[in-house]
Amino acid sequence: NAGVTQTPKFRVLKTGQSMTLLCAQDMNHEYMYWYRQDPGMGLRLIHYSVGEGTTAKGEVPDGYNVSRLKKQNFLLGLESAAPSQTSVYFCASNQAGASTDTQYFGPGTRLTVL
Amino acid sequence: SQQGEEDPQALSIQEGENATMNCSYKTSINNLQWYRQNSGRGLVHLILIRSNEREKHSGRLRVTLDTSKKSSSLLITASRAADTASYFCATGRGSTLGRLYFGRGTQLTVWP
Repeated sequence: NAGVTQTPKFRVLKTGQSMTLLCAQDMNHEYMYWYRQDPGMGLRLIHYSVGEGTTAKGEVPDGYNVSRLKKQNFLLGLESAAPSQTSVYFCASNQAGASTDTQYFGPGTRLTVL
Repeated sequence: SQQGEEDPQALSIQEGENATMNCSYKTSINNLQWYRQNSGRGLVHLILIRSNEREKHSGRLRVTLDTSKKSSSLLITASRAADTASYFCATGRGSTLGRLYFGRGTQLTVWP
């Protein structure tokens, strides 16, 4: 099992450009999450999904969109990148059920917006 | 806003010493988890303690939970240089569909 994978690992964008980050998991998890991590800020939830075809906003959703067309994939889109979106982005997943909400994380995508 | 707050923000010790990190939170929880993050890597789950538990052990890790004080501590005994990492606490509320609320983390450095 690969677990949670993220593509790409690194990316540099210019202000105003768009891009999509891909997260894939092979554990048949129901729930998936996108976080951003900034120095001294811990992890902040951007969007999450509780199942195929569903998405919901987290703490910091502005400037991002997501889609969950397939259970194993969760896409994070930046329509018009801004320097404030320079960050490390982590995807995570877990199985449904309050007793099993341990999350499994991908290796991260380091994004720089110039 | 983040749920957990770790203390201290940074901790520096020698190999063989014990490392204690604390986490405080604000609302009712279903469970509290600790994660580890090596530099440049994703987070890895270490241990989970449920709200009806007071102490849990896993290898060199000992976690305590005091729900009356809304606080938890993570103790790493006999630290090794390989334990150098950031440690995050995260709270689960049970009602929020698997969501976790992370603190800002404690950076632990263990010197050989």
